[in-house]
Amino acid sequence: ETGVTQTPRHLVMGMTNKKSLKCEQHLGHNAMYWYKQSAKKPLELMFVYSLEERVENNSVPSRFSPECPNSSHLFLHLHTLQPEDSALYLCASSLRTGANVLTFGAGSRLTVL
Amino acid sequence: GQQLNQSPQSMFIQEGEDVSMNCTSSSIFNTWLWYKQDPGEGPVLLIALYKAGELTSNGRLTAQFGITRKDSFLNISASIPSDVGIYFCAGRYNNNDMRFGAGTRLTVKP
Repeated sequence: ETGVTQTPRHLVMGMTNKKSLKCEQHLGHNAMYWYKQSAKKPLELMFVYSLEERVENNSVPSRFSPECPNSSHLFLHLHTLQPEDSALYLCASSLRTGANVLTFGAGSRLTVL
Repeated sequence: GQQLNQSPQSMFIQEGEDVSMNCTSSSIFNTWLWYKQDPGEGPVLLIALYKAGELTSNGRLTAQFGITRKDSFLNISASIPSDVGIYFCAGRYNNNDMRFGAGTRLTVKP
């Protein structure tokens, strides 16, 4: 247990479904991140939040919609996904944006049918 | 650009053997980091390097920040079964985004 908790751990959804991934940290960190991990590829940074404000959106399709209601919680809302969106989605947090030490959650394994 | 090339992509070794993996880039970085991802878990930081030429150890792990600032390597001595996992290098230049390599998947046979 790293202090960053992600739910659900596994999710299977159809292309027309709407689902959400949740991330929670009580480490007192001010920055939170969503990364996409696909097999044999580098981790891809999707979104960065600093104190609940989105500071970065790395050209992510609009079918992925992040939400950060407070500095401890981060959501990734999913809508009309494609099969190629199947991957492990990792949440991470750090003391501040630009910090080198990221604390990752265990990830949510998403399968889109 | 700031792409990190990590090699080898995978390794199959016998318990007790030493392991070496590296990460190179055409760009310079001023921070290099090594993370390990256990099966079914998220990556966990192993070693952080902040200065060119720096050599840092963490138990059986040793990592170096290359003099050119474009590479880093990680060595694991006397491997044990719990070393299995994916090892990621990561680099950052100033306040730019952290870049990750594609990972080295290590399998250790007892």
